[in-house]
Amino acid sequence: NAGVTQTPKFRILKIGQSMTLQCAQDMNHNYMYWYRQDPGMGLKLIYYSVGAGITDKGEVPNGYNVSRSTTEDFPLRLELAAPSQTSVYFCASTTETGWDTGELFFGEGSRLTVL
Amino acid sequence: AQRVTQPEKLLSVFKGAPVELKCNYSYSGSPELFWYVQYSRQRLQLLLRHISRESIKGFTADLNKGETSFHLKKPFAQEEDSAMYYCALRPYGNKLVFGAGTILRVKS
Repeated sequence: NAGVTQTPKFRILKIGQSMTLQCAQDMNHNYMYWYRQDPGMGLKLIYYSVGAGITDKGEVPNGYNVSRSTTEDFPLRLELAAPSQTSVYFCASTTETGWDTGELFFGEGSRLTVL
Repeated sequence: AQRVTQPEKLLSVFKGAPVELKCNYSYSGSPELFWYVQYSRQRLQLLLRHISRESIKGFTADLNKGETSFHLKKPFAQEEDSAMYYCALRPYGNKLVFGAGTILRVKS
């Protein structure tokens, strides 16, 4: 099992550019999450999904979009990159049982810089 | 609003010394609290949850509703405990609210 795989690990974008952060898991987890972590701050939830075809907003969804066409993949799209989106992005997944016990499985993170 | 506060960005202790990583939360309901850990070059992972009242790697955490705290403790720190520790609150639904994290450095 590779677990939760995020790509790319690092990316520099110019203001106004678009990109997609990829997240894939091979554990057949229904629940998937995108968090961002700004320096000195906690992780903030951007979007989450409880199954294919179902997505919902978290605390900080503005400027992002997601889709969940398969159980395995949960890409995060930035349409018009802004410097405020400079952050480290974490994808996580779990099962319904795992969620009950608080056990999320995290990816390694993607560091995005917008200049 | 739900919030988790970890007042220390960095906690530095000597090997063998006791460790207490502080976590305070604000939530009016009945909270569920967790500690997550990220070791160097590893992924963020669950360390322990308050509801199970377990000891993991010698760490324990007690929920104090009166003080709205969930401090993480270990009586004798080991060098391998050096890591970033995050306290997290699950108020309801599918949200998990994280604190900013505390770096624990255990010196030999």
